[in-house]
Amino acid sequence: KAGVTQTPRYLIKTRGQQVTLSCSPISGHRSVSWYQQTPGQGLQFLFEYFSETQRNKGNFPGRFSGRQFSNSRSEMNVSTLELGDSALYLCASSLVVGGGGNTIYFGEGSWLTVV
Amino acid sequence: AQSVAQPEDQVNVAEGNPLTVKCTYSVSGNPYLFWYVQYPNRGLQFLLKYITGDNLVKGSYGFEAEFNKSQTSFHLKKPSALVSDSALYFCAVRDVESGAGSYQLTFGKGTKLSVIP
Repeated sequence: KAGVTQTPRYLIKTRGQQVTLSCSPISGHRSVSWYQQTPGQGLQFLFEYFSETQRNKGNFPGRFSGRQFSNSRSEMNVSTLELGDSALYLCASSLVVGGGGNTIYFGEGSWLTVV
Repeated sequence: AQSVAQPEDQVNVAEGNPLTVKCTYSVSGNPYLFWYVQYPNRGLQFLLKYITGDNLVKGSYGFEAEFNKSQTSFHLKKPSALVSDSALYFCAVRDVESGAGSYQLTFGKGTKLSVIP
């Protein structure tokens, strides 16, 4: 069974540009979350989607957005990139059954460098 | 709000010795607790979780964790460390305040484990 797949793995962008990152969850998983990882701030929650609806959003500016498609695949977009957006962006997916103790699985991440 | 603390930025242990990576948490209700490991330039790999039941949880690669409700702790342990265990370890709690069914995780800052040959 394939894991969480993120593309691209590495990318370099220039300040002011925008970027789109893609995530394919594990088959059957309908909850998809995004996290930003930086050395200074650690792992921070960006947003979570379930059945194409944003269920929760972290404390990030409006430049960060996302969406989920009917096949549960998700994309996140960052507009007007800033140097501080350089980070590892991690996607996670989970089944949504039972009482909520389902395991949350992560992808390998997308490394974004803004120059 | 939920929070997780990993009091040690780094833990050094000799190969073959037991290891412990500490984690304490704060939640308003019952906690769902997780441990993940991250190797250099990789994503997070799930090790184990506590949802309910036995306080000693067994996970992947010989790791286990002990849930202690009175001390609000969930320490990660392994009886005999391997050099290949050297990595960054994260404790996380599911944020039940985010709304019914939300799967948001709140992470600790991480602990770098170095196993010395």
